[in-house]
Amino acid sequence: QKEVEQDPGPLSVPEGAIVSLNCTYSNSAFQYFMWYRQYSRKGPELLMYTYSSGNKEDGRFTAQVDKSSKYISLFIRDSQPSDSATYLCAMRQTGGYQKVTFGTGTKLQVIP
Amino acid sequence: DSGVTQTPKHLITATGQRVTLRCSPRSGDLSVYWYQQSLDQGLQFLIQYYNGEERAKGNILERFSAQQFPDLHSELNLSSLELGDSALYFCASSVLTGVATEAFFGQGTRLTVV
Repeated sequence: QKEVEQDPGPLSVPEGAIVSLNCTYSNSAFQYFMWYRQYSRKGPELLMYTYSSGNKEDGRFTAQVDKSSKYISLFIRDSQPSDSATYLCAMRQTGGYQKVTFGTGTKLQVIP
Repeated sequence: DSGVTQTPKHLITATGQRVTLRCSPRSGDLSVYWYQQSLDQGLQFLIQYYNGEERAKGNILERFSAQQFPDLHSELNLSSLELGDSALYFCASSVLTGVATEAFFGQGTRLTVV
């Protein structure tokens, strides 16, 4: 079983829809949770990161972490065709350097 | 543009050969990370350097090695290449290590082993 599980999709939604992307994980020591967006043939770019549990909002993006369920989510409101990309969740432990463990990514397509 | 430069962008080579991938981190970033991305495995952490010293190792094969030079650029050396080494190799850099600082990724080097 992988440490981080993410549905690969693809997920197709109409423009304007609310998108929900999710990851589950098994390592209870993970404390930092990140979401990266990766356009085709590009490197991943960090969208958001949160520490421990709770919500964080940035514009149309909201990240949620539920450590009790080992479940994290990224919500995209008013989705746009430019949001079409692969979204990767990532997480790591705290203290010193710990490797970041990535999910395999969910491919999202927003249809105009 | 993330400010992280990777060369070359594409590389096609034969099995058994050796290649070197190069990464120039963002100005001021001391940490460099190497990742391998394949279709079925996602992004796999290979190795991290901080200011010239190796800091962490992930799932890096013995046939692979890396180093970070005094000017902070880094090279990833892949030898005795196999078909399964075909993947995207990403370099990322960040200012610090050990804290949740933002890591910036380069555009990647697409390696094809034939």
